[in-house]
Amino acid sequence: DVKVTQSSRYLVKRTGEKVFLECVQDMDHENMFWYRQDPGLGLRLIYFSYDVKMKEKGDIPEGYSVSREKKERFSLILESASTNQTSMYLCASSLLGHYSNQPQHFGDGTRLSIL
Amino acid sequence: QQQVKQSPQSLIVQKGGISIINCAYENTAFDYFPWYQQFPGKGPALLIAIRPDVSEKKEGRFTISFNKSAKQFSLHIMDSQPGDSATYFCAARGETSGSRLTFGEGTQLTVNP
Repeated sequence: DVKVTQSSRYLVKRTGEKVFLECVQDMDHENMFWYRQDPGLGLRLIYFSYDVKMKEKGDIPEGYSVSREKKERFSLILESASTNQTSMYLCASSLLGHYSNQPQHFGDGTRLSIL
Repeated sequence: QQQVKQSPQSLIVQKGGISIINCAYENTAFDYFPWYQQFPGKGPALLIAIRPDVSEKKEGRFTISFNKSAKQFSLHIMDSQPGDSATYFCAARGETSGSRLTFGEGTQLTVNP
C-alpha cells in the first residue's frame, strides 16, 4: 500500500513565523502535490513537483514556497505565516504517466492554525 | 477560479436510498474525471473514475454518469449505507496538464440509519 506521511496532524504557529510542513511518500512516485482544503472551496492546488528540484505553481501559490531535494520528500514553506493561511493542508503523490490515469494518494493532512 | 462546480454542498439521505452528487465543468479539454471519497480525519482516496468516451461506469453500488454534450457528470450511490457518510469530491484533468487535477467544492454526505 502507498503511504503518504505528513509530519504533523496539528500545528499552531504565530503570525510572521516561517512554517515548514513536511511530506514523505514511500512508493517512489515522481509527482507530489500540496493542497489546502477549506470548507466550501474544495481542494485547491498550491504547488506540485514532477521530479527532484522541479516545481510548478498551482492555483494559489502566493505566500508559499516548496522544496523537493529528494524524490520521496516534498516540503511546503510558509515564508511569513498569516492568519488567512489557517487551513487543512494535504499532501499527495502519484506516479508519472498521463495516459495511465494514475490516482493521487493523499496523506491524512496537517491542520495548521496561525494565531 | 473554480473550473469544476459541484452540488449540493451537503446531502442527507436515508439508509437504502440513492445519493446523487452533480458536477459541471467548462473546459472541453478535460479528459479524465475521478471521484474521491474522504472520511473524517483522513485524506481523500480515489473512489471511481471515468473517461469521456463512455457515458457510464459502475463499480458495485457506485456509478458515474457522464454527459459530454452538457459538460456534466454525476455520482450515484445506490442503496446508501451509513458507512458511505463522507465528503465526496469530483475532479477533472486537462489533456495537457499531466497529472494535475482540478477539484470541485466537495459534498458532505450523511446517510441516516
